Amino acid sequence: DVKVTQSSRYLVKRTGEKVFLECVQDMDHENMFWYRQDPGLGLRLIYFSYDVKMKEKGDIPEGYSVSREKKERFSLILESASTNQTSMYLCASSFGQGTIYGYTFGSGTRLTVV
Amino acid sequence: AQSVSQHNHHVILSEAASLELGCNYSYGGTVNLFWYVQYPGQHLQLLLKYFSGDPLVKGIKGFEAEFIKSKFSFNLRKPSVQWSDTAEYFCAVGNTGGFKTIFGAGTRLFVKA
Repeated sequence: DVKVTQSSRYLVKRTGEKVFLECVQDMDHENMFWYRQDPGLGLRLIYFSYDVKMKEKGDIPEGYSVSREKKERFSLILESASTNQTSMYLCASSFGQGTIYGYTFGSGTRLTVV
Repeated sequence: AQSVSQHNHHVILSEAASLELGCNYSYGGTVNLFWYVQYPGQHLQLLLKYFSGDPLVKGIKGFEAEFIKSKFSFNLRKPSVQWSDTAEYFCAVGNTGGFKTIFGAGTRLFVKA
């Protein structure tokens, strides 16, 4: 089975801190994604990457950046954490061109900014 | 604007009842359609998907969904739910050839034993 591993299950950070969320997939998928999941809002796309060093903004990129230096790793960076970034962050990966194959998700990182 | 709408935010059913969760989308062009499920404490996983062919698709655990193009709908059904179906269900739509998938707000299903 494809595995998408997120480095932390729970994180608590202070306002203004720089936060790194790490995601690793082990099945050579081209595409990787970062979503945030909030009650009543579903999943909202922050950034995605379809190749190494390539990145595209999703629907809510403000306050975030990403890095993809290796195919298997996709990092989400909160440049200066704020309380409105308290959320569940989900990493996903997918194979091939387009959305046809669906996503494999990680277990999520629940981030609390205090 | 592209969007996915799930009709119910919370559904409570008794075991053996039939289930239908509604999903409508607004998306230009050819689409791929998905239902994902998130069981308590677990990660999101793919339940079923449609990308072409027979509009009635079958997924894991006895779930099925029907794509009705004229209604922009992709409703999820199960004839008889079990307590273990308690979960949150997400409808999602991706454009063919693109990379982005848009998710609905989710429906929390609680099945009473």
